[in-house]
Amino acid sequence: EVQLVESGGGLVKPGGSLRLSCAASGFTFSSYSMNWVRQAPGKGLEWVSSISSSNTYIYYADSVKGRFTISRDNAKNSLYLQMNSLRAEDTAVYYCARWLGGGTPFDPWGQGTLVTVSS
Amino acid sequence: QSVLTQPPSLSAAPGQRVTISCSGSSSNVGNNYVSWYQQLPGTAPQLLIYENNKRPSGVPDRFSGSKSGTSATLGITGLQTGDEADYYCGTWDDSLSWVFGGGTKLTVL
Repeated sequence: EVQLVESGGGLVKPGGSLRLSCAASGFTFSSYSMNWVRQAPGKGLEWVSSISSSNTYIYYADSVKGRFTISRDNAKNSLYLQMNSLRAEDTAVYYCARWLGGGTPFDPWGQGTLVTVSS
Repeated sequence: QSVLTQPPSLSAAPGQRVTISCSGSSSNVGNNYVSWYQQLPGTAPQLLIYENNKRPSGVPDRFSGSKSGTSATLGITGLQTGDEADYYCGTWDDSLSWVFGGGTKLTVL
């Protein structure tokens, strides 16, 4: 069964840092691009960042560029999101999702991990 | 403000048909495949339609998708109470980003 499990969320103060992880299983992780998507409480989906299968291509939403860093470890079947200089508006559930690039769909999605930025 | 425009909410009675629109531009919907996602209350989004009109295995044929120019449409026939959810369209944008619609909250009365 293809599965994605996020972890690492929690409460952090404004200006702080947090590292999210996404553990993949049930498929050849190194063959797929991956994404982070977030959803603020009561709001819609917002794409955050993408990384290609071999790290060749990395993209960020303008809202996180310069503060967040996406990475992956294909040997550990894991995706990461290092979040620095966190702001209140970064409060959201963060999902990881598998992707083949371009207009191909995000499928599947993990269950999400909640990040709360508050003093 | 989302790059793709969807109606914020829709409501219909059980058994009826609804359509959800998704309007974009030549750099996203007009030039790339569109996918649709269903998010049931309290759960993660799930793929509903991909490549404009294809259904993953397990998705009932009551759900359909289409695209024309810079607009895409999700159709749901024979509405059921279990279809109450938020629906999102999404696609790649040629500016090297993924874009989602703002989401449509479907209420089955």
